[in-house]
Amino acid sequence: ETGVTQSPTHLIKTRGQQVTLRCSSQSGHNTVSWYQQALGQGPQFIFQYYREEENGRGNFPPRFSGLQFPNYSSELNVNALELDDSALYLCASSWREPDTQYFGPGTRLTVL
Amino acid sequence: GQNIDQPTEMTATEGAIVQINCTYQTSGFNGLFWYQQHAGEAPTFLSYNVLDGLEEKGRFSSFLSRSKGYSYLLLKELQMKDSASYLCAVTEGGGYQKVTFGTGTKLQVIP
Repeated sequence: ETGVTQSPTHLIKTRGQQVTLRCSSQSGHNTVSWYQQALGQGPQFIFQYYREEENGRGNFPPRFSGLQFPNYSSELNVNALELDDSALYLCASSWREPDTQYFGPGTRLTVL
Repeated sequence: GQNIDQPTEMTATEGAIVQINCTYQTSGFNGLFWYQQHAGEAPTFLSYNVLDGLEEKGRFSSFLSRSKGYSYLLLKELQMKDSASYLCAVTEGGGYQKVTFGTGTKLQVIP
């Protein structure tokens, strides 16, 4: 196990609702990255947080937002859910450099 | 932008050797990851290559050629449990370490 935890494991929401996903990083890691993985695809980079600030963002709309807390845990918030948001959401923690990037088990989000 | 190509699917026999190739085109290249992902699970770190050459780690080896934009993952003595998707991912700098994944190669190991 990597020491990265995510909650909840599974979640079902309806279109238009809002969702918050949580991630606790591995001890000693100060960087958290979030990814969306659709079925049969590779993970797509959403954004990265380093020391509580957004440090980079992929091609996702503003309704995808996040936070990182002083203990380096993180949240991913998605507003106005759409059917296409159904995916596995992965967080990965690292110590600044990605060669130590380890993934959590993921949250499976289903939007109906 | 980035372009990462790897075969969609491969089949190999238990006990054999298989090589999974990955080619990439990117600016500001820093390094290349290989991850293993079993169905319904999170990716598991296998290797991270920054310099040219071959790095061996048990049954798994990873090779990188920066000048050719090419990498491969070599799996020896294949076991049934090696059936999984193998993800190639490229990191680039520019103020933060962005990781871009390919779509993955689904490997099926058959008896």
